[in-house]
Amino acid sequence: RKEVEQDPGPFNVPEGATVAFNCTYSNSASQSFFWYRQDCRKEPKLLMSVYSSGNEDGRFTAQLNRASQYISLLIRDSKLSDSATYLCCAEDQAGTALIFGKGTTLSVSS
Amino acid sequence: DAGITQSPRHKVTETGTPVTLRCHQTENHRYMYWYRQDPGHGLRLIHYSYGVKDTDKGEVSDGYSVSRSKTEDFLLTLESATSSQTSVYFCAIRKPPPSTDTQYFGPGTRLTVL
Repeated sequence: RKEVEQDPGPFNVPEGATVAFNCTYSNSASQSFFWYRQDCRKEPKLLMSVYSSGNEDGRFTAQLNRASQYISLLIRDSKLSDSATYLCCAEDQAGTALIFGKGTTLSVSS
Repeated sequence: DAGITQSPRHKVTETGTPVTLRCHQTENHRYMYWYRQDPGHGLRLIHYSYGVKDTDKGEVSDGYSVSRSKTEDFLLTLESATSSQTSVYFCAIRKPPPSTDTQYFGPGTRLTVL
């Protein structure tokens, strides 16, 4: 079975900290990768796509390393509102479904 | 707003009873998905559909069936609910460009099987 693995955390950081999450995937044929954010008792919401060239959106940077088969998410200047679970995922070989990691929990405190 | 509604949002039922969950989209997208989410397991694909009457199994399809008779509706049925099917069920649609070509989730249904 093709899998996506990520450190469940929790990551407990103070406001203003920089935090990085890594995620590994086993299917070398995967073409598309994403990070989702999920708040408690809510649905996952797309945070950003992940490209080999990197993808930056404000304080968030996502990166793909195909050679090592991992994706990363960097959050700079953490805010209290960043507290959530972050899910990484990879598209399956057929390109029809997403395989999700189990999520990494981030708690930002003041 | 992903343009997806799920019903019911909460349901408590007893072991052995049939249960049907409904996912409705307003944008006529081709692909629709059903996932379950459980502590320690994350999101796992149950079934998906790539068109009217076109469906396929996912990772955890045993005990579940689906139907898609209209583009906008994707139904998930538990023929005889078991306690192991207590979970949060999410429906998702796949939006093509100009949206980011990936899946967008509905609000979820919390199902408890006693």
